[in-house]
Amino acid sequence: GAGVSQSPSNKVTEKGKDVELRCDPISGHTALYWYRQSLGQGLEFLIYFQGNSAPDKSGLPSDRFSAERTGGSVSTLTIQRTQQEDSAVYLCASGKVGNNEQFFGPGTRLTVL
Amino acid sequence: ELKVEQNPLFLSMQEGKNYTIYCNYSTTSDRLYWYRQDPGKSLESLFVLLSNGAVKQEGRLMASLDTKARLSTLHITAAVHDLSATYFCAGPLNYGGSQGNLIFGKGTKLSVKP
Repeated sequence: GAGVSQSPSNKVTEKGKDVELRCDPISGHTALYWYRQSLGQGLEFLIYFQGNSAPDKSGLPSDRFSAERTGGSVSTLTIQRTQQEDSAVYLCASGKVGNNEQFFGPGTRLTVL
Repeated sequence: ELKVEQNPLFLSMQEGKNYTIYCNYSTTSDRLYWYRQDPGKSLESLFVLLSNGAVKQEGRLMASLDTKARLSTLHITAAVHDLSATYFCAGPLNYGGSQGNLIFGKGTKLSVKP
């Protein structure tokens, strides 16, 4: 079956611009996660959605970062006024409630010039 | 807060040799996950270990979990070049949780040479 998909695969932007990253989870998965992977910081948790519950935003690094999940499916991660330190690969994962196994998408490589 | 430490961070092996990657975690956890990442690719789920003493094997890889020692191991048997990748272990932030974010180790970059 189809896995987690993300778009775009690569995004180059100028400092100060806003960007939107999209994630399509595996059908039927109620949990959706955003992580960020960078050379200096490894894999960091950003935000977590589960069903209709309020998202866990505890990993968002600043108020420039926000995310929403529409209809319990597609999610969009928005970064406002991008900074060079935002450059990283942004990974989305989805999973079922149960053993908490998470399935990752291919990621979006964000480069802020 | 859960901390996950892997060692070694870099591992260069010869084909045919055996080796073990270690994953220590700082607080009580009842489960542990292993992922593989190839260069430029995303993370692929390898093993989900859900209880003390759990052992899982897939091909030349075997993972185990000792919750009392807060230790998981990934053992590589008779390494082949195709196993070259970065391996991550991860633990759940919330003990006993069926969901929630994972805390990842820094990864072990494995290079298998002929």
